[in-house]
Amino acid sequence: RKEVEQDPGPFNVPEGATVAFNCTYSNSASQSFFWYRQDCRKEPKLLMSVYSSGNEDGRFTAQLNRASQYISLLIRDSKLSDSATYLCVANTGGFKTIFGAGTRLFVKA
Amino acid sequence: NAGVTQTPKFQVLKTGQSMTLQCAQDMNHNSMYWYRQDPGMGLRLIYYSASEGTTDKGEVPNGYNVSRLNKREFSLRLESAAPSQTSVYFCASSGDSPTYGYTFGSGTRLTVV
Repeated sequence: RKEVEQDPGPFNVPEGATVAFNCTYSNSASQSFFWYRQDCRKEPKLLMSVYSSGNEDGRFTAQLNRASQYISLLIRDSKLSDSATYLCVANTGGFKTIFGAGTRLFVKA
Repeated sequence: NAGVTQTPKFQVLKTGQSMTLQCAQDMNHNSMYWYRQDPGMGLRLIYYSASEGTTDKGEVPNGYNVSRLNKREFSLRLESAAPSQTSVYFCASSGDSPTYGYTFGSGTRLTVV
């Protein structure tokens, strides 16, 4: 079982739609969580950290459920420019950081 | 504002050849990392350097060596390339630990034939 699991998708949504991605992690000692965005043939870029209380950055909302060991990312009012692969990341402290394989999103006009 | 710079961007090697991937960051970060990314898999840590003068193995270190040349530079060497090392390699840096998030370089696409 992978330590961080994501639905690979792809998710195909129309512009303006709301889309949600979930991610599960297996190591209960995981302490820090992130979402990264990776465009095709580009490097990953930090989208947002994920806090226990949930946090929002514009159209993006991240949630953490420690009891169920899952993380979610909600994108509201999807834009064409949101098309990318979204990577879920868990860090167990120190330098042990596990990346999920990513969820692909296509936003269509 | 270069961030993390990697060279080369593309490389084709024959099995058994050696090469060094170069990485430099200008953000005064203490920690630097080398990852590889393969289809259907998450990024996997090859080696990291928590601070200048230290290096440690990650999840998949076999077949690789690293050098932290100074605070800015962290190189990855393939001594005898194998087809299994065909991958996209990313260098990254962070503050004192990954909990601050990574800044990645643009990647090196390596093919070993």
